[in-house]
Amino acid sequence: KQEVTQIPAALSVPEGENLVLNCSFTDSAIYNLQWFRQDPGKGLTSLLLIQSSQREQTSGRLNASLDKSSGRSTLYIAASQPGDSATYLCADYNQGGKLIFGQGTELSVKP
Amino acid sequence: DTGVSQDPRHKITKRGQNVTFRCDPISEHNRLYWYRQTLGQGPEFLTYFQNEAQLEKSRLLSDRFSAERPKGSFSTLEIQRTEQGDSAMYLCASSYEGGSYEQYFGPGTRLTVT
Repeated sequence: KQEVTQIPAALSVPEGENLVLNCSFTDSAIYNLQWFRQDPGKGLTSLLLIQSSQREQTSGRLNASLDKSSGRSTLYIAASQPGDSATYLCADYNQGGKLIFGQGTELSVKP
Repeated sequence: DTGVSQDPRHKITKRGQNVTFRCDPISEHNRLYWYRQTLGQGPEFLTYFQNEAQLEKSRLLSDRFSAERPKGSFSTLEIQRTEQGDSAMYLCASSYEGGSYEQYFGPGTRLTVT
């Protein structure tokens, strides 16, 4: 059974700092891995999708990497801003396309 | 098309009542997914459809839950005889099979059972 774990559960950083969020998964035979952002009480916003044949994806200040052999993905946020404060979720695509989510990392960026 | 929409956004109901939620996916997407999220947790898969066919149901989907997608477009999720443990955010997502399977989520329906 695929399990997805995110560490840390919560993170507080000062504005401007670069940071890394971690995601690990137990089954290396994943199809895709997707990172989401969730603001309190809201739905999920897709940030980056890494297909299994890829090693990383970049969008603006965000960079996500995927290492299937070690069962890890990281989300790198450069020059963090208070507007980045949210919960970040990673999810692994199971066979059939359903997503298996981690519990999320709650990020707080202090001005 | 502005994305996945869900209705209602919030629902408060008394224990034992039935509730129904609606999801309208992105128009060209043939896959539709339902997830449930409780406070402080990541979303958990409930069920998904490809066109009108329900292809998989989670063990979380007890007999009190039923989902339909009658014409392969919008979907409904009904919960009968609600219990306090059903209180959660119910999220809908859609994707296009044959592409990257990237899922796009709606804003969710927050259910509170009193």
